[in-house]
Amino acid sequence: DTEVTQTPKHLVMGMTNKKSLKCEQHMGHRAMYWYKQKAKKPPELMFVYSYEKLSINESVPSRFSPECPNSSLLNLHLHALQPEDSALYLCASSQRFGRDPNTGELFFGEGSRLTVL
Amino acid sequence: AQTVTQSQPEMSVQEAETVTLSCTYDTSESDYYLFWYKQPPSRQMILVIRQEAYKQQNATENRFSVNFQKAAKSFSLKISDSQLGDAAMYFCAYKGVGGTSYGKLTFGQGTILTVHP
Repeated sequence: DTEVTQTPKHLVMGMTNKKSLKCEQHMGHRAMYWYKQKAKKPPELMFVYSYEKLSINESVPSRFSPECPNSSLLNLHLHALQPEDSALYLCASSQRFGRDPNTGELFFGEGSRLTVL
Repeated sequence: AQTVTQSQPEMSVQEAETVTLSCTYDTSESDYYLFWYKQPPSRQMILVIRQEAYKQQNATENRFSVNFQKAAKSFSLKISDSQLGDAAMYFCAYKGVGGTSYGKLTFGQGTILTVHP
């Protein structure tokens, strides 16, 4: 199983709503990532979890709150978002963060398309 | 900070022909990974090919090969016998294993590849 599964695929929310994005992998990877991607732009790193601990927060606004309940799951809690937060949110995983005993490759999910009204 | 530059926003190729996508990067590190990722319109980011910096031999995966010039910090992707399914946005990416870029995947701006029948 080499999949990263993200739900929901599409999400529309108002600026006062609270919602969550979910990500799951069963490859035994111990590093998980959230990226934000605008149309025809490269993904921008938001957060990195390594062994279920937050290792990197790229100065992301607090209206985005990540959570890693266990080694297979990664959540992104959304609250009081702005229309400019509308984007594709990509989850990824890799065997390790940093020096990887395998290939260093990140495996990506299909993404969650978020629209903030 | 590490930077990755893709100087070709768009490229096109005829089916069955060969095309080369360019990528340069800037780093002071000696050990790192380089990747080419493909993102079709269906949006899932898929690894095309990887290169470890300490390996002098250029990586090859079927119709895809790279020209890795470490001293010149260049990492181009050659697609031979292009197929319609190769049409996508291609991202060159750098992953450091030490220093300030530890574990982070830095993407270039991407190249949109169109394949003409």
